[in-house]
Amino acid sequence: DAKTTQPPSMDCAEGRAANLPCNHSTISGNEYVYWYRQIHSQGPQYIIHGLKNNETNEMASLIITEDRKSSTLILPHATLRDTAVYYCIVRVTAAGNKLTFGGGTRVLVKP
Amino acid sequence: DTGVSQDPRHKITKRGQNVTFRCDPISEHNRLYWYRQTLGQGPEFLTYFQNEAQLEKSRLLSDRFSAERPKGSFSTLEIQRTEQGDSAMYLCASSRQVQEGTQYFGPGTRLLVL
Repeated sequence: DAKTTQPPSMDCAEGRAANLPCNHSTISGNEYVYWYRQIHSQGPQYIIHGLKNNETNEMASLIITEDRKSSTLILPHATLRDTAVYYCIVRVTAAGNKLTFGGGTRVLVKP
Repeated sequence: DTGVSQDPRHKITKRGQNVTFRCDPISEHNRLYWYRQTLGQGPEFLTYFQNEAQLEKSRLLSDRFSAERPKGSFSTLEIQRTEQGDSAMYLCASSRQVQEGTQYFGPGTRLLVL
């Protein structure tokens, strides 16, 4: 699976959009981008994934650049409950089964 | 609650003792995974099952570790002769076979070896 690079930490204001970047410059054509988050003392939680097109669900939006070398997870209206570590993971689906977590981005939502 | 459950949530043991953790996956998920997470790090893959078959084991899973999923439902992870370095959060996750990247995690079992 391709390596990902994320900033170690970032702050954002409650009620504002939080934009979390991820670089995956060595991503190959059949690798998906997955985002998970882990709230303190809980297990990781799936957020969203995508291959090429931008994706949106009830939790977040995922914007993948045209060259697929980077992506951004957008939390449209951050709340205090969004404070967590966010992990960007690149993996081939249907081949290999583990998720390879990096260090993630520690996001602190401030009132 | 139809999520993944783990038992116990916390375990304190003395070095050299054996411990066993249980994971109950989401009922319709045939894949089950174990991960380990130490403080400040992301989870690390240990092993996974498809139904009752253990299909992959990480090099992290030393011979003191054994995992089973006897009837393809719940799973157990046993650590024999625990060492202080085994202190960590042990996470279980499950998924459908066709959506294996979308894994649902339990709350974890936090192990402290004294």
